[in-house]
Amino acid sequence: KNQVEQSPQSLIILEGKNCTLQCNYTVSPFSNLRWYKQDTGRGPVSLTIMTFSENTKSNGRYTATLDADTKQSSLHITASQLSDSASYICVVSDRGSTLGRLYFGRGTQLTVWP
Amino acid sequence: EADIYQTPRYLVIGTGKKITLECSQTMGHDKMYWYQQDPGMELHLIHYSYGVNSTEKGDLSSESTVSRIRTEHFPLTLESARPSHTSQYLCASSARLAGRYEQYFGPGTRLTVT
Repeated sequence: KNQVEQSPQSLIILEGKNCTLQCNYTVSPFSNLRWYKQDTGRGPVSLTIMTFSENTKSNGRYTATLDADTKQSSLHITASQLSDSASYICVVSDRGSTLGRLYFGRGTQLTVWP
Repeated sequence: EADIYQTPRYLVIGTGKKITLECSQTMGHDKMYWYQQDPGMELHLIHYSYGVNSTEKGDLSSESTVSRIRTEHFPLTLESARPSHTSQYLCASSARLAGRYEQYFGPGTRLTVT
């Protein structure tokens, strides 16, 4: 069964600190992995997308890594800001359909305190 | 920035009422999707469309129905709302970019059935 598991479920950090969120997946055949940021009451917004051949990708203070062999990804946030408080969702796409099928994790709820 | 819109953003209605959640996009995307998301849970695909006059059910069984008469419009209808339909409903559309599908999400409709 194709699954995406994220940890931790929730995380509280102080403003200015760094943090790392984890994602493990079993989706096969793998196409790409995305990290989305979802603010409360809003739709998800894409942060990064990585294919099989990409190990790391950055978007400002967000850096995502991918190990396709172990089927693990991480999202590292540096110098956190209050506006980083949101749910971060790991999403994996398979190559098996023309739909571009997405498998969603439950997200990590990040809270940044001043 | 994605141009995908959902109305209403919030809706509180009584049991048995018929409702339609609106979704429209101005990007000319052929593929559109409806997801259901409960708090702290992953997004579940309930409907999708490849294009005009094409609609399919997703992974999660839903009593809602959809229609796709125009490319830009993908409304979701509940004939008789029940408290079990209380959830957040997210609409998305996608386009093929650099060999992969990029999904863009609307802001969501928070539905509460009393």
